[in-house]
Parts: sequence; C-alpha cells; structure tokens
Amino acid sequence: EVQLVQSGAEVKKPGESLKISCKGSGYRFSNYWIAWVRQMPGKGLEWMGIIYPGDSDTRYSPPFQGQVTISADKSNSTTYLEWSSLKASDTAIYYCVRQEVLSTIYGDVEYFDNWGQGTLVTVSS
Amino acid sequence: QSVLTQPPSMSGAPGQRVTISCTGSSSNIGAGYDVHWYQQLPRTAPRLLIYGNNNRPSGVPDRFSGSKSGTSASLAITGLQAEDEVDYYCLSYDSSLTGWVFGGGTKLTVL
Repeated sequence: EVQLVQSGAEVKKPGESLKISCKGSGYRFSNYWIAWVRQMPGKGLEWMGIIYPGDSDTRYSPPFQGQVTISADKSNSTTYLEWSSLKASDTAIYYCVRQEVLSTIYGDVEYFDNWGQGTLVTVSS
Repeated sequence: QSVLTQPPSMSGAPGQRVTISCTGSSSNIGAGYDVHWYQQLPRTAPRLLIYGNNNRPSGVPDRFSGSKSGTSASLAITGLQAEDEVDYYCLSYDSSLTGWVFGGGTKLTVL
C-alpha cells in the first residue's frame, strides 16, 4: 500500500527555521514526483512545488520561489519542506502528494493522488 | 486570485444536479492540459474525484462526472446527497507558470 506519512504539528516563532518531512512507503520512492501543497486557514489549496527524488530535480511555483526549499533524501524515502525564517503568514497546513502518471493511447495523464495526512505549522509570537 | 476560476459557492437540493465550473485560459485548460478534481472534507486531505478530465478512480460513485471544453472544465454531481456538502477544487497545469495550479475552490451547500 502506498503511504505518505508527514511529520507532526509544529509551533514556531517568527524568524525561526523549520523543516517538515514526508516519508513514502509501499513503492519505489525515487521514481515518483512528490509535490507540496499549502492550505492557509480557511483558504484554498495552493501548489507550492515539486521534486523528483531520483535526481532531486525541483520546480517551484513562482509565489514560493525563494520562500521555501524543497529537498529529498532518497536513501530515507523522505522529502522535506524547509523555511529559513518563518513569518506569521506561513501558518497553514502543508500536504505532500504523489504525482501519478497513467499512460493511455492518447498520451500520458499526469495527476496527483496519495496524499500525506498534512502537517499544521503555526507561526506566532 | 487563481488562474483557474471557480464559483466560491454553489447550492442544490437533495436529489438535484449541480455543475461546478473551472474556467482557465489558453495557457492551461485551453492549451490542452488535463483537468482533475478533488473533494475535501473539513480537516482532511483532499481526495481525488476525477482525473484526466472525465475519469473516476475506483471507489468514486458514478454520480460524479467531469468534462472539458475549450478553456473550461466542469464537475457534475447528480443525485445530490447531504454528504456532498464539502469543498471542491479543480487542478491543471499552466505553461506560463510552468507549474500546476488549483482553482480557488467551491463550497457546495446541500439545501
């Protein structure tokens, strides 16, 4: 069974650093892209970026470029989302999710399924 | 403001049919990129409802269906039930942003 298990809730102060994790199991971790998604309190889903653990190829959505760092340790089947200096506006639930690729006669269909349970990050002084 | 526009809220009576729209542009849906739909219950991770415009994963009732035309896509829910009263999001790829984008989300109310 494919599973993505995320690290626990965090409470931090503005200016502090943080690294949360997402550990995959039940599949060949290196071969699937993993994305991170933000959901601020009472708001919608925002796609932050994506990483291919096999070679750590990483892409960021423009609003998140330079604001966070996505990394992966394929030997540990884990991806990470990191902040060097948190802001109150980083308060949100963060989800990791695996990209699926379905090959059809019309071409590949790429979508996201198999979500982590989410990590609540609270930044408050 | 997302590049994929959804109505913030919609409503329908039990048993009725509702359609949630997702309007994009020539750099995403109109460029031929697939649209996927997610359902999110409060305080839980999203659940895949429709992938590749009109395909249902196993376990998703056939009351849910998807379609795409031009720069828009739609999620239709027939035989509305109380348990459908949650949030729905569309997702597609955008070539201008070189990344994926979610719609703003639609909160469905069952009257």
